[in-house]
Formats: sequence, structure tokens, C-alpha cells
Amino acid sequence: DAKTTQPPSMDCAEGRAANLPCNHSTISGNEYVYWYRQIHSQGPQYIIHGLKNNETNEMASLIITEDRKSSTLILPHATLRDTAVYYCIVRVESGGSNYKLTFGKGTLLTVNP
Amino acid sequence: DAMVIQNPRYQVTQFGKPVTLSCSQTLNHNVMYWYQQKSSQAPKLLFHYYDKDFNNEADTPDNFQSRRPNTSFCFLDIRSPGLGDAAMYLCATSREIGAPSIYEQYFGPGTRLTVT
Repeated sequence: DAKTTQPPSMDCAEGRAANLPCNHSTISGNEYVYWYRQIHSQGPQYIIHGLKNNETNEMASLIITEDRKSSTLILPHATLRDTAVYYCIVRVESGGSNYKLTFGKGTLLTVNP
Repeated sequence: DAMVIQNPRYQVTQFGKPVTLSCSQTLNHNVMYWYQQKSSQAPKLLFHYYDKDFNNEADTPDNFQSRRPNTSFCFLDIRSPGLGDAAMYLCATSREIGAPSIYEQYFGPGTRLTVT
């Protein structure tokens, strides 16, 4: 799987948009970008995933650049409960043991009041 | 609600004393995973079951074993826990049927293991 690079930490004011970047410059054409988050002392939680088009769900939006070498997770109105470690993961979808998630170090997002 | 349940949430064991952690799921997912997460580190996959097929990660120590008696349950056995095995152990499930598979993993709350 391609590796990802994320900033180790970010701060965001409550109510503002949080934009979390991820670089995945070696991503292959059949690899999806997944985002998970882990609130302290809880298991990771799926947020969103995408291949090349921008995606939006009730939790967040995912913007993937046209060359697919980077992406941004957007939390439109961050709350204190969004404080967590956010993991960007690239996962291949064709054949083999493709169900594995390889977690990087992630970004600790701290939402401040 | 359908979910992934891990028991116990906290487990204390003695150095060298075998311990078993359990995971159950009501999602009817065919894949179950065990991750180890040490303090301030990312989760690391130990092994997973695709249906009844066991898949061990290359760097998972032999001290760690797993059993999946049926679709709903999966166990993590640590045969001789060392101090370095103290960690959060996370169970996850996913529904992977055919390819391409784009289903997310659902994680349980984890069991925090302390080795004394």
C-alpha cells in the first residue's frame, strides 16, 4: 500500500472548519483514500473514503486533488467532540489481502473552545 | 444497535500467565481483525480471519494466537504475556465479499491489557 504523510498536530477553533491535509504521492490508480479518527480511549471510527471524486457525508467532506497525490478532510463546523487523532489511509482494492488497514501516525486535531 | 463488543474493557494479568481477550459482533461481518495499539502509537494489525481462514501478519510474535469458533466470536490468546505486551487490543470487523471491496471496518472499544 502507498504511504501517507500527515502533520502530527493541528488546532482548530470550535465552530470553524477543520481542514486536515494528507499527502499520498505514490498512490496507485486502484487505491482508495480512507479517513478514520480515534477519540481518546476509543476504537477508531470510519469517517469517509474516496477514489478520485470529492465525497461528502454527514460527518465530513473529502477533497482529492486531480492528480490524486493529496487529499484534504474537511470538518465543516468543528466541535469539541471532534478532538481526536485523524488517520489518512490508502488501501488497495484489488485482490489479495486487500482488507487490511495500515495506520500511519495520523494528525492529532485539537478543537479549542 | 449492531456493534462490536469487547470484553473485558480492562484486563490485568501477570507476567507469563496466559490471557484471553474476547470479541463478539452482531454485524454478521465475515472478516474479523485484531490490532495492538501501544501507548501513543497507531494501531498495528496482528492477524485477521476472512471467514474461517486465518491470516497472520509476518511480524506478529508466536506468543499471539487467535481462534474464531463461529462468525460472531473471535478470541485473542496471549500465551505468555511479557511487559512489552501491555497495550490496547482492538477488535474490528468488516464485510468483504468479492472484489473490489470498499467496506469500512467497525472497531470495538478495545481491551486495555496491563501486565504486572
